[in-house]
Amino acid sequence: DMKVTQMPRYLIKRMGENVLLECGQDMSHETMYWYRQDPGLGLQLIYISYDVDSNSEGDIPKGYRVSRKKREHFSLILDSAKTNQTSVYFCASSLSGHSYAEQFFGPGTRLTVL
Amino acid sequence: GQQVQQSPASLVLQEGENAELQCNFSTSLNSMQWFYQRPGGSLVSLFYNPSGTKHSGRLTSTTVIKERRSSLHISSSQTTDSGTYLCALERNTGYQNFYFGKGTSLTVIP
Repeated sequence: DMKVTQMPRYLIKRMGENVLLECGQDMSHETMYWYRQDPGLGLQLIYISYDVDSNSEGDIPKGYRVSRKKREHFSLILDSAKTNQTSVYFCASSLSGHSYAEQFFGPGTRLTVL
Repeated sequence: GQQVQQSPASLVLQEGENAELQCNFSTSLNSMQWFYQRPGGSLVSLFYNPSGTKHSGRLTSTTVIKERRSSLHISSSQTTDSGTYLCALERNTGYQNFYFGKGTSLTVIP
């Protein structure tokens, strides 16, 4: 069963704490993504990873970093979380980093930073 | 400026009515994708549609690359169709980079 998984699904942190969001996929996809979704702003790309240790900034990378040490796993890290990072975070994957490849999304992580 | 414009922003239908959702792009594109999202839910891919017309049950997607637009037609709407429909543009950069519209919120009432 092809799918993208995310852990945890819900997380509450205090401002200044570190946050680790994890994403996995079992489709051997090369490319993985992290997005955040906010009311009125839609989905915004944070980082894209084309393969292991091959990561690029998206449109809103400030305050985030990523790690991809295995093809099937992509992590999003918030060092010293801020209240404006409260959001729903989605991970996605696609077969290739080149054009014409459909995206598959995980269930999302709802992060609240107090 | 926003590269993906979706219209209408919201739509209310009586069950059984048809709907036409529009997606217009301000930049050239390689392809585009339509998604469905329930409130609080994830994105479910409906169509990956580089160009032309695709059908899936009561849904039809038509993308005209040279006119930079795509439409999603829902026929004989059902209450379970309620939710948000998002379109995403895949930019013509050689590497994948999707831009999302803000969505059309559809409510189908019985």
